[in-house]
Amino acid sequence: DTEVTQTPKHLVMGMTNKKSLKCEQHMGHRAMYWYKQKAKKPPELMFVYSYEKLSINESVPSRFSPECPNSSLLNLHLHALQPEDSALYLCASSQRGDSYNEQFFGPGTRLTVL
Amino acid sequence: GEDVEQSLFLSVREGDSSVINCTYTDSSSTYLYWYKQEPGAGLQLLTYIFSNMDMKQDQRLTVLLNKKDKHLSLRIADTQTGDSAIYFCAGGARRKLIFGQGTELSVKP
Repeated sequence: DTEVTQTPKHLVMGMTNKKSLKCEQHMGHRAMYWYKQKAKKPPELMFVYSYEKLSINESVPSRFSPECPNSSLLNLHLHALQPEDSALYLCASSQRGDSYNEQFFGPGTRLTVL
Repeated sequence: GEDVEQSLFLSVREGDSSVINCTYTDSSSTYLYWYKQEPGAGLQLLTYIFSNMDMKQDQRLTVLLNKKDKHLSLRIADTQTGDSAIYFCAGGARRKLIFGQGTELSVKP
């Protein structure tokens, strides 16, 4: 299995809702990433988990809360989001959490905040 | 910090070769990557090159690396309409991937 899967594909939520994005990989990778991407822009790194521990938080607002329950799963919990948080949220994984490993991306969750 | 720059647009005719260019500032990048993103999709890893290599070929794709000028290029031979996408180059630096702005490739029949 050489795939990163993400659910849901699309999500529409109000500013007072709580929702979660899910990401899964079964490649035995030990690093997982969350990125935010606006249209026709490069992905912006949000969080990195390495060996199930949070190793990088790129000063992301606390309304985004990551969780890594095990080495195959990564969640992003969303609460009290703003319309400007609407974007494509991409999950990625790599063998290790350093810059020497290629990252494999999932198809993304398209988030719309009303 | 690391900076990666790309031209924003490239338009070619079907069957021609496409060359997408990238320059980077951090010479400590050990690996340099090319990703492809089709509309509405995630990023697909196309190929990568190790910093001690000058060239890597993979079917229709050729990557050239000029370390002196910190210049990386991706050549796509016999470009097809299915190659229309945004192409990102990325360098590894300080445990992160640093992406260029992306080059939107348009292939006209």
